[in-house]
Amino acid sequence: AQKVTQAQTEISVVEKEDVTLDCVYETRDTTYYLFWYKQPPSGELVFLIRRNSFDEQNEISGRYSWNFQKSTSSFNFTITASQVVDSAVYFCALSKTNTGNQFYFGTGTSLTVIP
Amino acid sequence: DTEVTQTPKHLVMGMTNKKSLKCEQHMGHRAMYWYKQKAKKPPELMFVYSYEKLSINESVPSRFSPECPNSSLLNLHLHALQPEDSALYLCASSQDLLSPLNTEAFFGQGTRLTVV
Repeated sequence: AQKVTQAQTEISVVEKEDVTLDCVYETRDTTYYLFWYKQPPSGELVFLIRRNSFDEQNEISGRYSWNFQKSTSSFNFTITASQVVDSAVYFCALSKTNTGNQFYFGTGTSLTVIP
Repeated sequence: DTEVTQTPKHLVMGMTNKKSLKCEQHMGHRAMYWYKQKAKKPPELMFVYSYEKLSINESVPSRFSPECPNSSLLNLHLHALQPEDSALYLCASSQDLLSPLNTEAFFGQGTRLTVV
């Protein structure tokens, strides 16, 4: 069975603070994909990153960075120097390799950045 | 163009109405999806189409009827809905279900449906 857990329901930070969003997953598959999506109030899900299970390299993209640790089944997301525009709900998701983008979403973390 | 367009953005319908949600993409994607998202919940998969054929139906009630008339369009026909069906309905597309180089899914802004 596939399961994604985002234990942090809501987080508030003051602008320019760093914030880490946690994601822990469960799967029996050896090959899978992990994703982070951002959902602003407008509703659409904005793709942030995709990682396959064989690629444990951490990634940095501007103020965003991701830490994938297979040993702890975690795929955490850090925003450095947060901005008000980062306020949104962030979803971590798992997808089996052979089923395209049939996502198993976590429950989401609502991030509020206070100016 | 990495856009998935959904219409209408908002829809209010009565329980006896028939309405349709539309989704369009021009990225050449051959996999399209319908997700349902209740307030403060994650999206839940409803249907997956692959090459215009229904590939996955996640035990969705028959009052929701999907249709994929061509590779760019995906419809969701609604009939005799219940108030608990009120939700944000998200459409998504991705390159291909089966390719090992399958890309991420692109989502539309959704249709906020209210059933009265």
